[in-house]
Amino acid sequence: QITLKESGPTLVKATQNLTLTCTFSGFSLSTSDGGVGWIRQPPGKALEWLAAIYWDDSERYSPSLRSRLTITKDTPRNKVVLTMSNMAPVDTATYFCIHDPGFGWFDPWGQGTLVTVSS
Amino acid sequence: QSVVTQPPSASGTPGQWVTISCSGDKSNIGTNTVNWYQQLPGTTPKLLIYSNDQRPSGVPDRFSASKSGTSASLAISGLQSEDEAEYYCAAWDDRLTGPVFGGGTKLTVL
Repeated sequence: QITLKESGPTLVKATQNLTLTCTFSGFSLSTSDGGVGWIRQPPGKALEWLAAIYWDDSERYSPSLRSRLTITKDTPRNKVVLTMSNMAPVDTATYFCIHDPGFGWFDPWGQGTLVTVSS
Repeated sequence: QSVVTQPPSASGTPGQWVTISCSGDKSNIGTNTVNWYQQLPGTTPKLLIYSNDQRPSGVPDRFSASKSGTSASLAISGLQSEDEAEYYCAAWDDRLTGPVFGGGTKLTVL
């Protein structure tokens, strides 16, 4: 059974950087088991894909946020870290960690963590 | 404004058959497969349909989906109160080189 859980600050100030960690189990990023990604959802709004990292060390980023995002993996510890720089109030959202099997869909999702950006 | 569009709302009565549309273009739905996610109120999104029309294990066969050209649709037969949720379609976009989500459709069971 695959599980993922997000951790990180619930409140950050504008201009600060956000670092979120996804800790997962049930699969490994050392084999061809796909990858781990991040999706966010502002309150009452739609889903937005942010980034993903795969077993072969490849990385993908949302073009609109590419300059602000960095995704890394700690394979032995089954962790993936997302860093987003220069946070602003519009970045307030629930951030989900997801398992990306590499076929285009995401399953399962972590429980999500709400990050609020204060001005 | 999402590159993939869905109606913001849909509704039906218990037992009814309802459909939710998802419209894109040749860079996303026209070229790649469509996936659907269900987000029950206050919960995490769940994969409902993958590869246009495939149901993961555990998803009732009341849920079905199809794709034609640059559009896709999700159908729910025998609507139940527990189907009240937000539904999102998604597809890879070759131009944006990443997955794109529709804006979501809030389904209300009257």
